[in-house]
Amino acid sequence: AQTVTQSQPEMSVQEAETVTLSCTYDTSENNYYLFWYKQPPSRQMILVIRQEAYKQQNATENRFSVNFQKAAKSFSLKISDSQLGDTAMYFCAFYSNYQLIWGAGTKLIIKP
Amino acid sequence: SQTIHQWPATLVQPVGSPLSLECTVEGTSNPNLYWYRQAAGRGLQLLFYSVGIGQISSEVPQNLSASRPQDRQFILSSKKLLLSDSGFYLCAWERTDYGYTFGSGTRLTVV
Repeated sequence: AQTVTQSQPEMSVQEAETVTLSCTYDTSENNYYLFWYKQPPSRQMILVIRQEAYKQQNATENRFSVNFQKAAKSFSLKISDSQLGDTAMYFCAFYSNYQLIWGAGTKLIIKP
Repeated sequence: SQTIHQWPATLVQPVGSPLSLECTVEGTSNPNLYWYRQAAGRGLQLLFYSVGIGQISSEVPQNLSASRPQDRQFILSSKKLLLSDSGFYLCAWERTDYGYTFGSGTRLTVV
């Protein structure tokens, strides 16, 4: 069975710093997708970035980028120039065959 | 444009009362639809998913049921709510080659 592990329950950094959230997963699938979702206090679930497993190039979306290491089954999220609005729960998720498997989440606090 | 709507936003219901949460998608056809529940401070638990009208797959046996009476409508129901049904419920739509788009959620409190 697929599993997703986020080993950092909570992190905090100063505004404008760079922060990296870790995520590892376990699967025997070769084709799958990986996602990072952000859930601010409003609890709206917002897609931050996605990565197709067959693409070697790391996905980037403005200040957000990932380090996808397929062999190591690692999918970390880097947030550059962090902003107060980045404060939220961040969930890593693995998708294959209609199943979206979620990590437990990392609470990220950006301090002014 | 493609959007997903979920309502109500907040609901307080007594134990034993029925439940109906509705989710609709606009701007697409034959979407894959999902119901998730999230306990406070926790990740998401998949409850049901549907790949078409009348097709419902249940992931967790429980006091809830789901129906898809129309292509872009997904309903979560219960005949008699339990205290343990309290939580935050999210409807999601799977957009091909993009990922999941979520509704704004329903905070259900069973008292």
